[in-house]
Amino acid sequence: GESVGLHLPTLSVQEGDNSIINCAYSNSASDYFIWYKQESGKGPQFIIDIRSNMDKRQGQRVTVLLNKTVKHLSLQIAATQPGDSAVYFCASSSGGYQKVTFGTGTKLQVIP
Amino acid sequence: GAVVSQHPSWVICKSGTSVKIECRSLDFQATTMFWYRQFPKQSLMLMATSNEGSKATYEQGVEKDKFLINHASLTLSTLTVTSAHPEDSSFYICSAREKRGATELFFGEGSRLTVL
Repeated sequence: GESVGLHLPTLSVQEGDNSIINCAYSNSASDYFIWYKQESGKGPQFIIDIRSNMDKRQGQRVTVLLNKTVKHLSLQIAATQPGDSAVYFCASSSGGYQKVTFGTGTKLQVIP
Repeated sequence: GAVVSQHPSWVICKSGTSVKIECRSLDFQATTMFWYRQFPKQSLMLMATSNEGSKATYEQGVEKDKFLINHASLTLSTLTVTSAHPEDSSFYICSAREKRGATELFFGEGSRLTVL
């Protein structure tokens, strides 16, 4: 089955610094990857996605990098703000964007 | 953006009773809905995939007779936890996809179930 995991359970960063959250996936057939942000007691919120035919995609203050060779995904947040404090999940799917499998999550704590 | 609404947002019930959670797509028609379960400080675990008008596809280890899923219309899917027990206490989250082949999933705000 497909599994997606994260290296770091908790990440603390100073406000204004850049954050990097990493994720490893195991299914080489995964072709679509998504990063979600989840605040306490709420549902996941879409941040950014990337397809397997790309290795980098940028959004507003966020960048996702995909390394298919080592099955690694990362989320970079520039100029991290207190409002970025949340749990971040990577997720992936394969074969026609059917079910989406979530990784274990990283808690990002922004220190003011 | 598209909105997915869940109701109730929280529910407390006695052991042995059944609880129904609704998931509605408010401004789009959802051909596919997914139900997830999340324990505290853990990830979302997919329970089942629900396509409108057909039986849900359950993930391995999820009891279909325990967690009844109905997707009777393009805007509503329901999850019924039957004969709930304290170990069923969890955060249940639904998500919806507007059409086949679409990539983006829209998530509801979740429903917290506490079984006493």
